[in-house]
Amino acid sequence: DQQVKQNSPSLSVQEGRISILNCDYTNSMFDYFLWYKKYPAEGPTFLISISSIKDKNEDGRFTVFLNKSAKHLSLHIVPSQPGDSAVYFCAAIHNAGNMLTFGGGTRLMVKP
Amino acid sequence: ETGVTQTPRHLVMGMTNKKSLKCEQHLGHNAMYWYKQSAKKPLELMFVYSLEERVENNSVPSRFSPECPNSSHLFLHLHTLQPEDSALYLCASSQDSQGHAFFGQGTRLTVV
Repeated sequence: DQQVKQNSPSLSVQEGRISILNCDYTNSMFDYFLWYKKYPAEGPTFLISISSIKDKNEDGRFTVFLNKSAKHLSLHIVPSQPGDSAVYFCAAIHNAGNMLTFGGGTRLMVKP
Repeated sequence: ETGVTQTPRHLVMGMTNKKSLKCEQHLGHNAMYWYKQSAKKPLELMFVYSLEERVENNSVPSRFSPECPNSSHLFLHLHTLQPEDSALYLCASSQDSQGHAFFGQGTRLTVV
């Protein structure tokens, strides 16, 4: 049973608009959440994270929102750029451990 | 350059072959991981080594055998694999309690 789910396998957005990537989780013990970005033929690279004690974390064009009651988090990219086209993975950790549980990924395509 | 290097980048092997995947990290991290990425599936954690001690993952078949001779090197020994084992194998490392992992570029394995 998948504890971290990304229900949209793909998303297409126009350049300059907002991209919203969603992630749901089932394990209430998760207390730290991360987003990774993956280009073809490369390993995932860390993008942004959020602790369960926060509901928002912002880094430049990237903002992650956490709704603990709904067990839902989202990544907002604004404005979207063609270079943002990649697969985005949501991941979660519990009890400050170091075993990431990943979602299935969402492929973002930003059209010029 | 991610600091985590995997070799080889591509590997084609027959079902009776024995091969090894190598991972090396120069980040001073004390935890290393093997992940498997199959098409349309989440990243699957296979093995974790923390402070050079292995954390067993019972769901991984015995035809995959990890080895961690020191904190900088991690191997995945492969023996009598099946075609369904064809996937991207990703190595990662992290520092305890920091959460996010740094990934290598992966080894694309094809079993024929």
